[in-house]
Amino acid sequence: AQSVTQLDSQVPVFEEAPVELRCNYSSSVSVYLFWYVQYPNQGLQLLLKYLSGSTLVKGINGFEAEFNKSQTSFHLRKPSVHISDTAEYFCAVSDPYPKTSYDKVIFGPGTSLSVIP
Amino acid sequence: GAVVSQHPSRVICKSGTSVKIECRSLDFQATTMFWYRQFPKQSLMLMATSNEGSKATYEQGVEKDKFLINHASLTLSTLTVTSAHPEDSSFYICSARSRGASYEQYFGPGTRLTVT
Repeated sequence: AQSVTQLDSQVPVFEEAPVELRCNYSSSVSVYLFWYVQYPNQGLQLLLKYLSGSTLVKGINGFEAEFNKSQTSFHLRKPSVHISDTAEYFCAVSDPYPKTSYDKVIFGPGTSLSVIP
Repeated sequence: GAVVSQHPSRVICKSGTSVKIECRSLDFQATTMFWYRQFPKQSLMLMATSNEGSKATYEQGVEKDKFLINHASLTLSTLTVTSAHPEDSSFYICSARSRGASYEQYFGPGTRLTVT
């Protein structure tokens, strides 16, 4: 079964500094990869997704992620963070070729990003 | 586009009562809907998946008789927590996937359930 690891449960970073949130997944076959952001007491918002093609994916709010198949990683980066980026970030994976119609998105445990003024 | 709403956003109920949470896709037809549960400071746990017009598929460990899911139309799914107990208190989030978009889910804003 697929699994997703986010090694850092909490990441504090100063405003305008760069940040990288790490994500590794377990599957050795083709996968779809996602990063979601969740603000307090809200649902999830898609930041970016990798389906195929270019390994560097650009998303909303200045975020980007790089798919590395050999390392089974999909790390999220932003060159300069803002206070408003403080939120919970979830990496997720799904199977592009599910055996049933009930394919799932598997979420990582989340990384809490705190931007310090 | 691709907006999913949930109602109510917050609900408080007494132990032993039932509560219904609605999930609606406002501007697209949702062939598949998902229900998640999220505990504080934790990730989303998939509870069940439902396709329109068919029975929901529950994840292992999720009680079917306690968490009743109905996906009666292409724009509405409901989750009913029956005989609620304090341990059912949680944040419930639904998501929906449209026909033709096999990979992407659109999430609702969540419902905070508190059982007293």
